[in-house]
Amino acid sequence: DAKTTQPNSMESNEEEPVHLPCNHSTISGTDYIHWYRQLPSQGPEYVIHGLTSNVNNRMASLAIAEDRKSSTLILHRATLRDAAVYYCILRDPINTDKLIFGTGTRLQVFP
Amino acid sequence: NAGVTQTPKFRVLKTGQSMTLLCAQDMNHEYMYWYRQDPGMGLRLIHYSVGEGTTAKGEVPDGYNVSRLKKQNFLLGLESAAPSQTSVYFCASSLRPGTSRRAYEQYFGPGTRLTVT
Repeated sequence: DAKTTQPNSMESNEEEPVHLPCNHSTISGTDYIHWYRQLPSQGPEYVIHGLTSNVNNRMASLAIAEDRKSSTLILHRATLRDAAVYYCILRDPINTDKLIFGTGTRLQVFP
Repeated sequence: NAGVTQTPKFRVLKTGQSMTLLCAQDMNHEYMYWYRQDPGMGLRLIHYSVGEGTTAKGEVPDGYNVSRLKKQNFLLGLESAAPSQTSVYFCASSLRPGTSRRAYEQYFGPGTRLTVT
């Protein structure tokens, strides 16, 4: 399974944009890039996913590099509720369809 | 909809005891999964099921057994608990890939915190 690399932690101030990077240099052509987040003492929740094009939804935006070897999750205006561990995951729906979690990025948001 | 529920929320076991964790989902999902999460780590897949009556091994299956007798339930069993199985256990479910726009999303339960002494 292809691996992802994320910074262990990041900090942001409330209402500022946050850019969470992820490197996945061994990504294959059939891997989708998924982001989940885990709030304290809760199970993970889906944030966004994409294959090649940038994606937007009500929670965040996902910017994917042209060579697909990296991606960035963008929170446009961080809130205190966004403090969580963010996981960047490669998912191959054809061959394995399993989520392989790394250790993620712990995001701290300060008021 | 209750989504994904897990029973119990907390449990303390002595080494060698057995127990069963129950996961239930009311979203008519075909796929169900059991993960464990150790302190400071990401989730690791224990076992999963792609439909009623079928199960498969994940990354860390040793010491665990599972059963999927009904579509809505997925049971995780520990026959002889060990301290190394102290962890938080998460269940998740999803639609079969390709069946809808939402098939890519896994829905997680709140977790079961298990301590083995």
